[in-house]
Amino acid sequence: EVQLLESGGGLVQPGGSLRLSCAASGFTFSSYAMNWVRQAPGRGLEWVSRLSGSGGTTTYADSVKGRFTISRDNSKNTLYLQMDSLRAEDTAVYYCAKSEGRWVWGQGTLVTVSS
Amino acid sequence: QTVVTQEPSFSVSPGGTVTLTCGLSSGSVSTGHSPGWYQQTPGQAPRTLIYNTNTRSSGIPDRFSGSILGNKAALTITGAQADDESDYYCVLYMGSGIWLFGGGTKLTVL
Repeated sequence: EVQLLESGGGLVQPGGSLRLSCAASGFTFSSYAMNWVRQAPGRGLEWVSRLSGSGGTTTYADSVKGRFTISRDNSKNTLYLQMDSLRAEDTAVYYCAKSEGRWVWGQGTLVTVSS
Repeated sequence: QTVVTQEPSFSVSPGGTVTLTCGLSSGSVSTGHSPGWYQQTPGQAPRTLIYNTNTRSSGIPDRFSGSILGNKAALTITGAQADDESDYYCVLYMGSGIWLFGGGTKLTVL
C-alpha cells in the first residue's frame, strides 16, 4: 500500500525558515515525480512544487519561487520542502503527493507563520 | 495568468445527477491536461476520485465518472447520496511540470 507521511510543520515567525519532510513507502520512490500541495485555512488547494524522480528537474508556483526549495533523498525514500523567508500567507496545511497516474496524498502537516 | 475555473457551489437532490465542470480561463481542456478530481471533507486530506480524465481510483463507486464535455473536464455523480456532500477539486497538468488546481466546488445534497 502506498503511504506518505509528512512531518516538520509548526509555528514559525515571519521571515523564518522551516523544513518539511515526507516519508514514502509502498512504491519505488525513485521512479516517481513528487509534489507539494498546500491549503490555506478555509481556502482551496494550491500546487506548490514538483520534483522529478531523479531529482534533476524542479518546478515551482510563482508564489513560492525563490523562497522554497524542493529536494529528495531516494536512498531514504523521503521528499523535502525547505521553506525560507516565510510570510503570513504561507500559513497552510502542506500535503505531499505522488502525482503520476492516480494522485496519492499524505495526511498533511500544518505550518503557521505568525509573530 | 491561466486560471482553472470551477463552479463555486452546486446543489443536488438525493438520488439526483449532477455534473461539475473544470475549465480554463483561456483555451480548452483536453485529455492532454490529464484532468483529475478530488473529494475533500473538512479536516481531511483530499481523496482521489478520478485521474487521467476518466479513470476511477480504486474503491471509488461507479456512480462517479469523469469525461470531457465540450471544452471542459467534467465530473458526473449519478444517484447522489448524503455523504457526497463535500468540496470537489479538479487539477490540470499545464506542462513543464506545472499543475493547476481549480478553486473547488462546494456540493450540497438536499
